[in-house]
Amino acid sequence: QLQLQESGPGLVKPSETLSLTCTVSGGSISSSNYYWDWIRQPPGKGPEWIGNIYYSGSTYYNPSLKSRVTISVDTSKNQFSLKMRSVTAADTAVYYCATQSISGTFWFDPWGQGTLVTVSS
Amino acid sequence: EIVLTQSPATLSLSPGERATLSCRASQSVSSYLAWYQQKPGQAPRLLIYDASNRATGIPARFSGSGSGTDFTLTISSLEPEDFAVYYCQQRSDWPPYTFGQGTKLEIK
Repeated sequence: QLQLQESGPGLVKPSETLSLTCTVSGGSISSSNYYWDWIRQPPGKGPEWIGNIYYSGSTYYNPSLKSRVTISVDTSKNQFSLKMRSVTAADTAVYYCATQSISGTFWFDPWGQGTLVTVSS
Repeated sequence: EIVLTQSPATLSLSPGERATLSCRASQSVSSYLAWYQQKPGQAPRLLIYDASNRATGIPARFSGSGSGTDFTLTISSLEPEDFAVYYCQQRSDWPPYTFGQGTKLEIK
């Protein structure tokens, strides 16, 4: 059974780059069966999809964030990562990684537990 | 971008009562709609996918219906653990995938 765990700094200064990693266990990140997603949730609001990556390296991003976001995979560590440049206070949120199984439901299942990132000087 | 509008924003009911939550899409999403449950401090959990299919391990008191632009999540008889926030999400037209703003189900 897949399990996902986010890690990274909990505090980022305005205009700097937010960097998070998601470690996958219970399955291979190189599998052709999965898309690997990042989703965020500002305090008190609904989730917002950031983007995803497929094992081939293909990436898809939310057009509203595309200019600032990069998602990549590290197969040697069974991890995928998120980088978001030029952050502002509006980027303060709980950041989740999740997966979509092509042979399963293809919805976001499971999710990691989430990590709170605060943008503040 | 497809906008999902959930109603009501807050629903106050008692254990044992029936809950009906609504999600309306700004354009047709066919049956490509899911429902998630989120409890405080936890990640959302998939409840219903493809409008009407229960995810693995989800009790039968949860059911989903609808297609096109109008969808409903029904909880037939509320248990204490069902009080949470519920989100709908579409994957008909992406990127981006989009979520509704949520319905908070609270104890009356």
